[in-house]
Order: sequence, then structure tokens, then C-alpha cells
Amino acid sequence: DADVTQTPRNRITKTGKRIMLECSQTKGHDRMYWYRQDPGLGLRLIYYSFDVKDINKGEISDGYSVSRQAQAKFSLSLESAIPNQTALYFCATSERSGEKLFFGSGTQLSVL
Amino acid sequence: GESVGLHLPTLSVQEGDNSIINCAYSNSASDYFIWYKQESGKGPQFIIDIRSNMDKRQGQRVTVLLNKTVKHLSLQIAATQPGDSAVYFCAENMRGYSTLTFGKGTMLLVSP
Repeated sequence: DADVTQTPRNRITKTGKRIMLECSQTKGHDRMYWYRQDPGLGLRLIYYSFDVKDINKGEISDGYSVSRQAQAKFSLSLESAIPNQTALYFCATSERSGEKLFFGSGTQLSVL
Repeated sequence: GESVGLHLPTLSVQEGDNSIINCAYSNSASDYFIWYKQESGKGPQFIIDIRSNMDKRQGQRVTVLLNKTVKHLSLQIAATQPGDSAVYFCAENMRGYSTLTFGKGTMLLVSP
């Protein structure tokens, strides 16, 4: 079983729809992250959380929101999806801040 | 702003050769560096990391070299195999910051 699980793996949606991407982990880490990957731009941080009551904006948080429902669960929402949010989204966890990240397998989101 | 970058977007090698993937960083306050491998359709996987108090660290068939004088990081892969074909990312953490900053990635292509 994967340590960091993302659902769904693929999603196609239309402009203006609300979308939620989910992430769960069995690593027991307090720190969880959402990254976006676009071709040629590498991984960019959207939001991160260091415990259940902690939410922090990353480099590109506009148009996104998150919820940390439990230590093991961290979801990413797009309230009103737009085509330039088409990307590969990764959830990650870490044991310590600013150190090794453990990634999920990613969610490919396409907004038409 | 300062960022992590890569010299070569694509590196093609023959099976059995040694590969060297380079990464330049511009922030002298960075004190932790890490390399990830990302195969097609998968999330990034940890390869090796190094702290700024070290110049070299070795793993299984991989070596990371850190040259703080010229702010340069490299990943050496010995006896490259077709299974090493992937995109390789470097990332850095600046002292006092709680998240990693990723470079854009280099694609390594290994021919049989």
C-alpha cells in the first residue's frame, strides 16, 4: 500500500466547477503539502500544513483552498476551476520542516 | 527572486556510462539540498540529500557533490542503466525557511 495516497488519479472537469482533490497518508507525519507541476516549471508549492490547526499559503495559493481534516488527511479545493489550473497535482508529507518530502502518485487535472 | 536552476534540460547517455546532472543555486543561505527522480506517471522519489556542512555524500550508485564556493550541486550516477531514465530535480532549503524550493528538472535518457 502506498504511504501517500491521492484520489482521484485523473479528473476532467469544466470551467467554473468546484473540484476537490484528496490526500491521505499512513506515514504518521504532521507536515503535509500540495504542489502543482507544469511542464518546464517544476514543482510549485500551493499550500502546506504543519498540523491539524495550521494552514499556510505557498507560492501560488490564489484560486485554491485547503482543509486539514485530520493528521492523515489534507484536501485541496478549486472553488471555481479555470483552464490554467490544468496541471499535475502532488500531495507530499515530511517528518521535518524543509527536509525530505514523500510524494503521492499525483492527480492529473484537466479543466476544459 | 533567487531560485534553484539546472544547466541542461536533457542529458542522453549510453547504458554503462556515468551520468552527471548539474544544478546551480543562487542563495548562499541555503543549507540543505536534495535530489529527486521522477519517472513518467509517478511522483518524485527521494534519491539522496546533503547538508551544507558536507562536500560529498554517497549512496548506492549515486554521489552528490556540493561546491559552496560556486553554489553548484551535482548528482553523479555510476554505470547508468535504462531504468535510470527519468526527470531529475534538485531542491534547496534556505536556513530558517520551512519548505523546499525546486529546480525545473533535467531529463536523463539512457540508451541500451
